Amino acid sequence: AQSVTQLGSHVSVSEGALVLLRCNYSSSVPPYLFWYVQYPNQGLQLLLKYTTGATLVKGINGFEAEFKKSETSFHLTNPSAHMSDAAEYFCAVSLYNNNDMRFGAGTRLTVKP
Amino acid sequence: DAGITQSPRHKVTETGTPVTLRCHQTENHRYMYWYRQDPGHGLRLIHYSYGVKDTDKGEVSDGYSVSRSKTEDFLLTLESATSSQTSVYFCAISEPPGVYGYTFGSGTRLTVV
Repeated sequence: AQSVTQLGSHVSVSEGALVLLRCNYSSSVPPYLFWYVQYPNQGLQLLLKYTTGATLVKGINGFEAEFKKSETSFHLTNPSAHMSDAAEYFCAVSLYNNNDMRFGAGTRLTVKP
Repeated sequence: DAGITQSPRHKVTETGTPVTLRCHQTENHRYMYWYRQDPGHGLRLIHYSYGVKDTDKGEVSDGYSVSRSKTEDFLLTLESATSSQTSVYFCAISEPPGVYGYTFGSGTRLTVV
């Protein structure tokens, strides 16, 4: 089955600094890849997704991620962190017409003033 | 999310008692999912449904059952609650599976004492 590994359970950056959250996946067939964000006491919200086509995908709030097949990675970046970006971020992998989306363990992002 | 609601939001129950969590959607999506969220594990799939009365097991289905008698409602039942089932439970909807990502409810925090 497909799987996801998020490197680093906690990332701390200063406001205005680059955010880099790492995600590596394992899949025997071309995957669909997702990043979700979870704010305290809320459900997960879709941040961005890669299905097919352009490997650099842009999401909400300035986030983007690049699908690198050779590295089996889908890292999430934001060039300038805002205090409002503090949340937990989950990477997920799925397959076409498959009901078993697998999630990473999550990375908690802290933004320092 | 406005199109998907979970009830109750919080519940405390005693070991050995049955518990039912409800997920209600207004999006007319065919696919519905129950996940549990635990620290260090991300989200893990319990059961899913691909239509009225059509359900299947996920990764961590032991001790849980589901029912879907209407498109809009998906119920999760803990037949005899145990402390290991203390968790946050999320319902999600999708159409079609795996491609566009999921829309999540706000979650139910269940404590088994």
